[in-house]
Amino acid sequence: DARVTQTPRHKVTEMGQEVTMRCQPILGHNTVFWYRQTMMQGLELLAYFRNRAPLDDSGMPKDRFSAEMPDATLATLKIQPSEPRDSAVYFCASGWGANEKLFFGSGTQLSVL
Amino acid sequence: AQSVAQPEDQVNVAEGNPLTVKCTYSVSGNPYLFWYVQYPNRGLQFLLKYITGDNLVKGSYGFEAEFNKSQTSFHLKKPSALVSDSALYFCAVRESGATNKLIFGTGTLLAVQP
Repeated sequence: DARVTQTPRHKVTEMGQEVTMRCQPILGHNTVFWYRQTMMQGLELLAYFRNRAPLDDSGMPKDRFSAEMPDATLATLKIQPSEPRDSAVYFCASGWGANEKLFFGSGTQLSVL
Repeated sequence: AQSVAQPEDQVNVAEGNPLTVKCTYSVSGNPYLFWYVQYPNRGLQFLLKYITGDNLVKGSYGFEAEFNKSQTSFHLKKPSALVSDSALYFCAVRESGATNKLIFGTGTLLAVQP
């Protein structure tokens, strides 16, 4: 079965360090989303790409977060510098078209100490 | 701004009984509505969607949802709950003609007792 692959599955780092999370969307999908899940905030949309172009990153703290799609098979989410409040599960999801279902990866569990 | 509300943090139901997980939405324009399920330590999985047409939508694992425009609701239902249905359920809305962002509710934990 085709699936969205996220790496790493778990990341523990110290405050101030750079964190890079990677996502391989399903081949042929043209939309990629990054979500963050916490107990307090639930699922928050951080960034959204269509055909590799960023369409919406209004939910992302611009001073420390950046999201890119260097090619159609890779999406990255970087945090620099990381802070304890960034601790969360980060999900990548991909899809085809605006109203089709999204396929989610298994997430990256980030802990910033 | 578009939004979706799930008024119940948790729903408890006995196995074999019908279940309902509630969702209400607020959008300008036509709503595109979705239900997703999340099992522990997993990403979300698509259950069903309403775009247009029949108000009763059937989805995966025996789930269905009823779109009610006058009540702005999209409740998830299943006639007979299974213990394996225990999971976190998310309602989501995407506004037509906008940036096509998918906005999720806060989630409802469904606990099915044997």
